[in-house]
Amino acid sequence: QLQLQESGPGLVKPSETLSLTCTVSGDSISSTNYYWGWIRQPPGKGLEWIGSIYYSGSTYYNPSLKSRVTISVDTSKNQFSLKLSSVTAADTAVYYCARILAVNFDPWGQGTLVTVSS
Amino acid sequence: QSALTQPASMSGSPGQSITISCTGTSSDVGGYNYVSWYQQHPGKAPKLMIYDVTNRPSGVSDRFSGSKSGNTASLTISGLQAEDEADYYCSSYTSTSTLGVVFGGGTKLTVL
Repeated sequence: QLQLQESGPGLVKPSETLSLTCTVSGDSISSTNYYWGWIRQPPGKGLEWIGSIYYSGSTYYNPSLKSRVTISVDTSKNQFSLKLSSVTAADTAVYYCARILAVNFDPWGQGTLVTVSS
Repeated sequence: QSALTQPASMSGSPGQSITISCTGTSSDVGGYNYVSWYQQHPGKAPKLMIYDVTNRPSGVSDRFSGSKSGNTASLTISGLQAEDEADYYCSSYTSTSTLGVVFGGGTKLTVL
């Protein structure tokens, strides 16, 4: 059964870089059928697509975040990662990783709360 | 890319049917048959309920159905049950960016 698990620091200081990793188990991240992506949800608010990556390394980003986002993939570890630079309090959110078929996110990881605070 | 428009809240009684709307533009909902719906219970990750406007993933109850007309997509839940109380989000492919996805603001469904 496919499972995704986010990991990384739960607290990041303003202006620093947020770094998260998603570990995939139960399927190969090198599957040609799927993309892999990140979505975030500020506390009490809605969902926002951050970006997606193919196993080959091709990336696709939300234009509103593109200047600060880097998504990468490590096929040897069956992981993909998110880096978001120059964070502010507005980046405080639960960050989810998910498998993507076309533009459908399924399944999702359990999510990890990242708080931006000094 | 602007968020899709959903009603903030809706309610219904057990056994009733409700329809949640999701309004976009010709660059997203109206232009492509790539609308999805997600159910999210408090403290949990979203779950895919409908994809490509009308399709249900394996294991999703047939009480959930999707449709689209013009720039507005809809999720209908028939025979409401207490377990359906959750937040519901629509999403769509958007042509404003390659493989771009835009979400709705979410609808909180209360089962009375």
